[in-house]
Amino acid sequence: KAGVTQTPRYLIKTRGQQVTLSCSPISGHRSVSWYQQTPGQGLQFLFEYFSETQRNKGNFPGRFSGRQFSNSRSEMNVSTLELGDSALYLCASSLVRVDSTGELFFGEGSRLTVL
Amino acid sequence: DAKTTQPPSMDCAEGRAANLPCNHSTISGNEYVYWYRQIHSQGPQYIIHGLKNNETNEMASLIITEDRKSSTLILPHATLRDTAVYYCIVRGISSGSARQLTFGSGTQLTVLP
Repeated sequence: KAGVTQTPRYLIKTRGQQVTLSCSPISGHRSVSWYQQTPGQGLQFLFEYFSETQRNKGNFPGRFSGRQFSNSRSEMNVSTLELGDSALYLCASSLVRVDSTGELFFGEGSRLTVL
Repeated sequence: DAKTTQPPSMDCAEGRAANLPCNHSTISGNEYVYWYRQIHSQGPQYIIHGLKNNETNEMASLIITEDRKSSTLILPHATLRDTAVYYCIVRGISSGSARQLTFGSGTQLTVLP
């Protein structure tokens, strides 16, 4: 079956701009969670959407937001970009919510560079 | 969620077993040990998980100590394609535990020919 698809794979933005990233989960998965990965901080949880509702949120500022559509596809938005937002953004889909024991299936990520 | 400690890097000869250790001394009773790996420029890939019993699947074995304060991931016959960063994390099943879900620096395993 098709895996988790993230688009775009690479993008370059400048400070102050905003960006929207997309994640299509595995068919039948209702949970989509987002992560930021940087060399210094490792991979950190941003938030999770399950059945179109945000269920969990990590310790990130309000500039980071997201949503989930009825087909479980999810988007993540970052507004007023800062240099420190340069990172690999990963999404993962799961049959069950992140705060359970279900397996997380990760996409290949969207690499954002902020200049 | 508990923090984990892993060695930053390890080498292993191709065809030999790779044993990757992980310390999670503050793990609580409802937290599971998960292992993922990440090959350069790809998303993390699930390997195995366990609560307190040893587990085995087609990819690896997971050995958890009786006190659950540490675990070892075993790749029985490492190949060059197993070269990756291996992450050991603990995941709780309580509401809100996801907020603290982080992957640390992991262990860079290099399989040598």
